[in-house]
Amino acid sequence: QSVLTQPPSASGTPGQTVTMSCSGSSSNIGTSSVNWYQQLPGAAPKLLISNNYQRPSGVPDRFSGSRSGTSASLAISGLQSEDEADYYCVAWDRSLAAWVFGGGTKLTVL
Amino acid sequence: EVQLVESGGNLVQPGGSLRLSCTASGFSFSSYWMSWVRQAPGKGPEWVANIKQDGSEKQYVESVKGRFTISRDNAKNSLYLQMNSLRAEDTAVYYCGKDMEVWGKGTTVTVSS
Repeated sequence: QSVLTQPPSASGTPGQTVTMSCSGSSSNIGTSSVNWYQQLPGAAPKLLISNNYQRPSGVPDRFSGSRSGTSASLAISGLQSEDEADYYCVAWDRSLAAWVFGGGTKLTVL
Repeated sequence: EVQLVESGGNLVQPGGSLRLSCTASGFSFSSYWMSWVRQAPGKGPEWVANIKQDGSEKQYVESVKGRFTISRDNAKNSLYLQMNSLRAEDTAVYYCGKDMEVWGKGTTVTVSS
């Protein structure tokens, strides 16, 4: 059971906008920044969003992040087939003194 | 370009030990926290440990406390993970990370008799 809760799956058609959530508590998302990662099959996780909404160099602006209270969201606009992957959120938990990941959302592009 | 290359993964028996290494390049290694994250087959990532820039502060996930030790050598741009008393549940791909941002390709640890 992951400390951060993500829906196990999401789907959309090419061109659509898909939003996925990451729910936590006051000891993690409520007081800490959230990072989002994309993981393609057989590859290492790749940073998509840091500090809730910042995109590293090279990440398309189709990807955007936000945080409100104890939840965070990742939105992907203009969905493309190559976006099909697993997406994970992570945040520092001050009670556990540990980084905690969500269980991941598997995105399917129909 | 940031590069992180892990090594040292292997098949080891339960109760055994293994030392993972990570060689970093493309950034000022001594200026960053460094981390180890692992991913068991078919599961999501799990943070294992991290270490402050000068090695003065180390943090571990509860399940590895007392068994794993993270260390670094800033002169060699290298990060290490000493893993003792290994268990089947430690089987995973282990990734070295620049803070919690960039990851290497990983090294595989399999604990099995």
